[in-house]
Amino acid sequence: KQEVTQIPAALSVPEGENLVLNCSFTDSAIYNLQWFRQDPGKGLTSLLLIQSSQREQTSGRLNASLDKSSGRSTLYIAASQPGDSATYLCAVSGGNQFYFGTGTSLTVIP
Amino acid sequence: KAGVTQTPRYLIKTRGQQVTLSCSPISGHRSVSWYQQTPGQGLQFLFEYFSETQRNKGNFPGRFSGRQFSNSRSEMNVSTLELGDSALYLCASSLTPHGRELKRGAFFGQGTRLTVV
Repeated sequence: KQEVTQIPAALSVPEGENLVLNCSFTDSAIYNLQWFRQDPGKGLTSLLLIQSSQREQTSGRLNASLDKSSGRSTLYIAASQPGDSATYLCAVSGGNQFYFGTGTSLTVIP
Repeated sequence: KAGVTQTPRYLIKTRGQQVTLSCSPISGHRSVSWYQQTPGQGLQFLFEYFSETQRNKGNFPGRFSGRQFSNSRSEMNVSTLELGDSALYLCASSLTPHGRELKRGAFFGQGTRLTVV
C-alpha cells in the first residue's frame, strides 16, 4: 500500500523567506503527483500537478519537483507572504485513488 | 466554468440518524470520488464513481454508501451515524477515472462539515 509522508508537519517562517516543503512516497508506480493548499475548514485548492514523466512544474512563486525513482517531491515557495499561511498537502495518484500525505502547516509571520 | 459544488456545507446530526451529502462535479467530468478528513486520520478515500458505476471502495464500513446519477452528480449516504463520523467530507471531480487524468488531476469541492452529537 502506498504511504505518503510530509516533513515537516509544521513550519513557521518570517515574511520574505524562501522555503521548501517535502513529500515522500513508498511506491514509485504513480500516474501523477499533485500539490494542494487547504485553508482552515475549507476544501482543497490545486496548486501544481506533475505528471509521472515530468521532473518539475512552476506556477508563479511556486515550483514543484518530482524524483520518482527516489520517491520524493519538493514544493518550493519563493518570497513567502502571510497569505501563503495554510496547510499544504501532497497527493500521489495510483490505482484508482489519491494517497494523501498528512500535510505541512505553514505560518508566514508578517 | 463552475467548480465542484458540495451541499450542504454544514450539518449537525444525532447519533443513530442517517445523512445524505451531495456533490456536483465540474461540467463534463464523469468521475466523482469521496474522501473523509479528520484531524487524527487525515484524508481517507471512501469510494469513486465513474459513469454511474462504483469503481473502487476504501476501507470503510457498509454504513457508508454512495451513488452517481446520469448527470454525474453523486450522493453519499451514511446510516446509523456514530460520533466518530464527525468529519469534513470532500468530493473530487475529474475527467477520467480518478487518478488517471494525467494532465489536469482532480478538483475538490469546499466540503461538507458533518458534526454528530
